Amino acid sequence: DQQVKQNSPSLSVQEGRISILNCDYTNSMFDYFLWYKKYPAEGPTFLISISSIKDKNEDGRFTVFLNKSAKHLSLHIVPSQPGDSAVYFCAASADNYGQNFVFGPGTRLSVLP
Amino acid sequence: KAGVTQTPRYLIKTRGQQVTLSCSPISGHRSVSWYQQTPGQGLQFLFEYFSETQRNKGNFPGRFSGRQFSNSRSEMNVSTLELGDSALYLCASSLGAGTDIYGYTFGSGTRLTVV
Repeated sequence: DQQVKQNSPSLSVQEGRISILNCDYTNSMFDYFLWYKKYPAEGPTFLISISSIKDKNEDGRFTVFLNKSAKHLSLHIVPSQPGDSAVYFCAASADNYGQNFVFGPGTRLSVLP
Repeated sequence: KAGVTQTPRYLIKTRGQQVTLSCSPISGHRSVSWYQQTPGQGLQFLFEYFSETQRNKGNFPGRFSGRQFSNSRSEMNVSTLELGDSALYLCASSLGAGTDIYGYTFGSGTRLTVV
């Protein structure tokens, strides 16, 4: 039973448009949420995070929205660039120390020029 | 500073064999966590070592084990390999106790193929 779900295995978006990646979770104890980006042959790299005391966090072209009542978060990339093409993992943790991250299965984003 | 180094990058083994993977964390980092990545399953937590002690363990069978040395380097061992063990194995290093979740750095992984 997956505690963190990313129901879209893949997503294709035109360059310059908005990319929206979704993540749902089932454990109401999760309080910290992160997005990681992974290129082929590289390890995941931290992208952006949000804690449950906020409903939005913005960093440049990347914005993460959290709807705690719906147990849903989303990552918006505006505008999308070809270099954003990667696999995006949503991860959740019940504490700020995160020894036990729970990751979603990932969404492969392809940004088409 | 050097990143997290995992060796080897690629490995092919046959069923029933055992394998040892290595992870050298960032200098000064004392915690090493191991993850298994398979298509459709995302990254699943295997275990975490801090100061040579296993601090946390995920939900994997006893065939998966690990250890950490005094220099913080960690090894992961899988015995009696099964086809389903084919995956990318990633390690992540962090400072350790009290590190918040934003302080983890991943290596590039070891791609294990079991035939």
